[in-house]
Amino acid sequence: DTAVSQTPKYLVTQMGNDKSIKCEQNLGHDTMYWYKQDSKKFLKIMFSYNNKELIINETVPNRFSPKSPDKAHLNLHINSLELGDSAVYFCASSQEEVGYTFGSGTRLTVV
Amino acid sequence: KQEVTQIPAALSVPEGENLVLNCSFTDSAIYNLQWFRQDPGKGLTSLLLIQSSQREQTSGRLNASLDKSSGRSTLYIAASQPGDSATYLCAVFPQGGSEKLVFGKGTKLTVNP
Repeated sequence: DTAVSQTPKYLVTQMGNDKSIKCEQNLGHDTMYWYKQDSKKFLKIMFSYNNKELIINETVPNRFSPKSPDKAHLNLHINSLELGDSAVYFCASSQEEVGYTFGSGTRLTVV
Repeated sequence: KQEVTQIPAALSVPEGENLVLNCSFTDSAIYNLQWFRQDPGKGLTSLLLIQSSQREQTSGRLNASLDKSSGRSTLYIAASQPGDSATYLCAVFPQGGSEKLVFGKGTKLTVNP
């Protein structure tokens, strides 16, 4: 039973398209995140939601828009995709006393 | 601003060797520190979580220590095996309501049979 699941696992799309990545957690955690791992494998936070409320919005182009319909879901929509958006996107959830749990990642390739 | 540094960036050892991975962070005001492993093309697997009030945590052949005052953590791997080959990431959860995990760049470990 996967704790943090994100779909799709792989996404190949053309420049200019709009795409979404979905994430769901069944751990009952209050906080969910989107992280981006670039080609150099460095992980950097993009967004954080706590109980459906946006609490962190790092310096991310406004083409990226997160949406949290409920505490267990955090989706990421990307408009007008660019080549530089190619990366692995990780969803995660956390609760202070148990730490973070990450999804398996979505490898986005923009061609 | 919290920064996390991991040394070395890469490490290659023969099977059976005990090894230590190092992590340092610039701001000692943290809730906890978490070690992860990432296999190529895969997600992050949590290995150990150390709360700020704790000094160490152990799981099997892994032992992680935390010295919050000096901003250091170590991950000790005993009797290394080829299956331990992966990138090991250290991350801290800062206090102050920032609600985000700050990662180091990782140590890529290769255990040679």
